[in-house]
Amino acid sequence: QLQLQESGPGLVKPPETLSLSCTVSGGDINSGAYYWGWVRQPPGRGLEWIGIINTSGRTFYKASLRSRVFMSVDTSKNQFSLGLTSVTAADTAVYYCARYKSFNDFMDVWGRGTTVAVSS
Amino acid sequence: QSVLTQPPSISAAPGQKVTISCSGNSFNIEKKYVSWYQHLPGTAPKLLIYDNDKRPSGIPDRFSGSKSGTSATLDITGLQTGDEAEYYCGTWDLSLSEAVFGGGTRLTVL
Repeated sequence: QLQLQESGPGLVKPPETLSLSCTVSGGDINSGAYYWGWVRQPPGRGLEWIGIINTSGRTFYKASLRSRVFMSVDTSKNQFSLGLTSVTAADTAVYYCARYKSFNDFMDVWGRGTTVAVSS
Repeated sequence: QSVLTQPPSISAAPGQKVTISCSGNSFNIEKKYVSWYQHLPGTAPKLLIYDNDKRPSGIPDRFSGSKSGTSATLDITGLQTGDEAEYYCGTWDLSLSEAVFGGGTRLTVL
């Protein structure tokens, strides 16, 4: 059974870079026509899609975050990562990683989420 | 302001049926598949419906989805207290080239 687990610091100082990783277990990150993505939920707000990456490195990012976000994949570790530069308090959120089925456009396997607070 | 519009909240008694709407436009819902997610606080969102009306294995048939034109709906029948959660619709937006979620609908089972 495929599982995803987020990891990374729970506190980031502005205007540093937020860095999170997602480890895929129970399956190969290379298998199937999938992308791997990130979604966040700021306190008191709804889900916000951040972006996706496939194992060839092709990415799609949310337009409003495009200048600050970057994603990468490490197939040798079965991991993918999220970076968000120049963070502010508005980036405080629970961050989820998930598997994204391209063309059909749904996220079927999710991590449990990791809370990241941005504060000096 | 979300690209997809959902009612902020809905409530009903146990055993009843609710319908949650998701309104988009010709760049998203009309041309792309819609998915629905259930999200309880402190847990991972769960995929309820994909490809407009398909249920993943393990999702009871009390949950059903449909799409018509630029709108989609999620029906939940035989409401249970355990259904209390936030529900989100999602799809791809061709004009933005990004995936989008609705603002979420909080379901209360009275």
